[in-house]
Amino acid sequence: EDQVTQSPEALRLQEGESSSLNCSYTVSGLRGLFWYRQDPGKGPEFLFTLYSAGEEKEKERLKATLTKKESFLHITAPKPEDSATYLCAVQAEEYGNKLVFGAGTILRVKS
Amino acid sequence: KAGVTQTPRYLIKTRGQQVTLSCSPISGHRSVSWYQQTPGQGLQFLFEYFSETQRNKGNFPGRFSGRQFSNSRSEMNVSTLELGDSALYLCASRSGPGVGSEQYFGPGTRLTVT
Repeated sequence: EDQVTQSPEALRLQEGESSSLNCSYTVSGLRGLFWYRQDPGKGPEFLFTLYSAGEEKEKERLKATLTKKESFLHITAPKPEDSATYLCAVQAEEYGNKLVFGAGTILRVKS
Repeated sequence: KAGVTQTPRYLIKTRGQQVTLSCSPISGHRSVSWYQQTPGQGLQFLFEYFSETQRNKGNFPGRFSGRQFSNSRSEMNVSTLELGDSALYLCASRSGPGVGSEQYFGPGTRLTVT
């Protein structure tokens, strides 16, 4: 069973069309949930860390939220430059301190 | 502040050969992790080093090894290369191995095994 699941696998949006990406996890003892953005051929770029249910963080058009079993990355009025793969990762007691990544959501924003 | 650097950026090797990849962490960061990224398996953890000691290891065969030097720079080695080792190898650094500290990734080394 996958321990970190991201949905949808791919998402196509029109410029300005807001939406949300989901990251659900089945681990216990969550120590942190991380969001990254990855452009083709590049390493992941750090976006947010969330530590506890109810926490929210924002950066430009992105807002990340966390509940007990999932996290959402909300994208408000996206632009074509927001097109990328968005990855979430969890750090949990059962993994030691390593990060376990989901498969990612490929976002395409068309103008 | 300079980011994580990885060398080389691209590498082509033949089955059976070995390869060494290098990673220089962000200045002041003492923890370095290595990941393998493939289209089929996504991002998978290889190992993490802190203060020249391996702190965590993923589920990879013994052909994959690493080390860290006193200046926190790290190398990973893959021996007896197989076609399935073709991947993007990513290095990430953070200030320490503790809970919740963010990892910052380098650009990766694209390894192709023929």
